[in-house]
Amino acid sequence: GAGVSQSPSNKVTEKGKDVELRCDPISGHTALYWYRQSLGQGLEFLIYFQGNSAPDKSGLPSDRFSAERTGGSVSTLTIQRTQQEDSAVYLCASSPRQGIYGYTFGSGTRLTVV
Amino acid sequence: KNEVEQSPQNLTAQEGEFITINCSYSVGISALHWLQQHPGGGIVSLFMLSSGKKKHGRLIATINIQEKHSSLHITASHPRDSAVYICADYSGGGADGLTFGKGTHLIIQP
Repeated sequence: GAGVSQSPSNKVTEKGKDVELRCDPISGHTALYWYRQSLGQGLEFLIYFQGNSAPDKSGLPSDRFSAERTGGSVSTLTIQRTQQEDSAVYLCASSPRQGIYGYTFGSGTRLTVV
Repeated sequence: KNEVEQSPQNLTAQEGEFITINCSYSVGISALHWLQQHPGGGIVSLFMLSSGKKKHGRLIATINIQEKHSSLHITASHPRDSAVYICADYSGGGADGLTFGKGTHLIIQP
């Protein structure tokens, strides 16, 4: 597609429920990143996919968070047993490859856990 | 550990004013990004620069590698420029190689 597409744009969920956030990167971009932005905070790196390599999960805050990327394209970030502190904007970005070139961000998913 | 500091954190100005947002980093970098985030969360990449100066419309970004400092300038500011401006440097460390500043919240009043 023309840009990075994220869905849903907004999600309100009850504490304890699982949520799935979707990211559709730019076609041909091999690198895909998930970030979290909590209120008043900078972007926090969560996970990085490069092609078909095993993802770098070093930024995931707990084992309730997981992500997968199917066919080297669409990615899903799953948060299990959501907590109120998970409320944040979750941003996805893609680039042609890892490095300084052409990061494109999606519009984000605003997650609110009540 | 690379740190990226932005100043000011918040800036309110009148329409038409010349705006400067500053970004300092602690580790030598390959490139620095300036990003714009509007209410609602979406982020747009404004500039990527590794030396000198770049200009796009009313936006100008400069970088001084020796001083580890970059500035984003907005000329003839307009209310639609109201957004959070984030600098991020790419130094190659970590999975994504990026270290983000916390952003500058700019409000341009008509």
